[in-house]
Amino acid sequence: ETGVTQSPTHLIKTRGQQVTLRCSSQSGHNTVSWYQQALGQGPQFIFQYYREEENGRGNFPPRFSGLQFPNYSSELNVNALELDDSALYLCASSYNYKTGLGTEAFFGQGTRLTVV
Amino acid sequence: DQQVKQNSPSLSVQEGRISILNCDYTNSMFDYFLWYKKYPAEGPTFLISISSIKDKNEDGRFTVFLNKSAKHLSLHIVPSQPGDSAVYFCAAHRAQGAQKLVFGQGTRLTINP
Repeated sequence: ETGVTQSPTHLIKTRGQQVTLRCSSQSGHNTVSWYQQALGQGPQFIFQYYREEENGRGNFPPRFSGLQFPNYSSELNVNALELDDSALYLCASSYNYKTGLGTEAFFGQGTRLTVV
Repeated sequence: DQQVKQNSPSLSVQEGRISILNCDYTNSMFDYFLWYKKYPAEGPTFLISISSIKDKNEDGRFTVFLNKSAKHLSLHIVPSQPGDSAVYFCAAHRAQGAQKLVFGQGTRLTINP
């Protein structure tokens, strides 16, 4: 068990709606990254938060946004849901140094989002 | 643009034998390579990593080999056990900046008794 927890585990939303996914990082970690894993594919990097600021973003549209809180937990928000947003959303926490180096990422169990 | 590729979607190996999972990459700027293992309904679990300045890293039954000139890495599992049955992802990232992991598509390993 990694100590990274995500909620909810499963979610069904209607196209056009908005969704918020939550992640509690492992104790001592200061960085949270979010990934989208479509069926049969590897996880795709969405963005990363380091000390409450966005620290890198993948090729995802602005309707994907996030937050990191002072306790280093994080939220992923997706607006105007589309059918293709149906996927497993993974949160990973790590400890990053100011130099940019850091520990390996530890993943939560994921949130399965289905958009109908 | 698939920078990390795992060309074998599945692999079946007899218990006790060696499992070899392969991964190719195209971005020569990657500094670290990692292998993750994923069971159904769980997140990926870190297995082993290797820095680009090394060509081999070993941890128990798991060994990762890196061939920089060929932009190829492999994970060897010896001996293979039934509990090793899972999906294995190869991933890579650069040392600096956001540690954006770039994953391959995964290989489903099945260990047969």
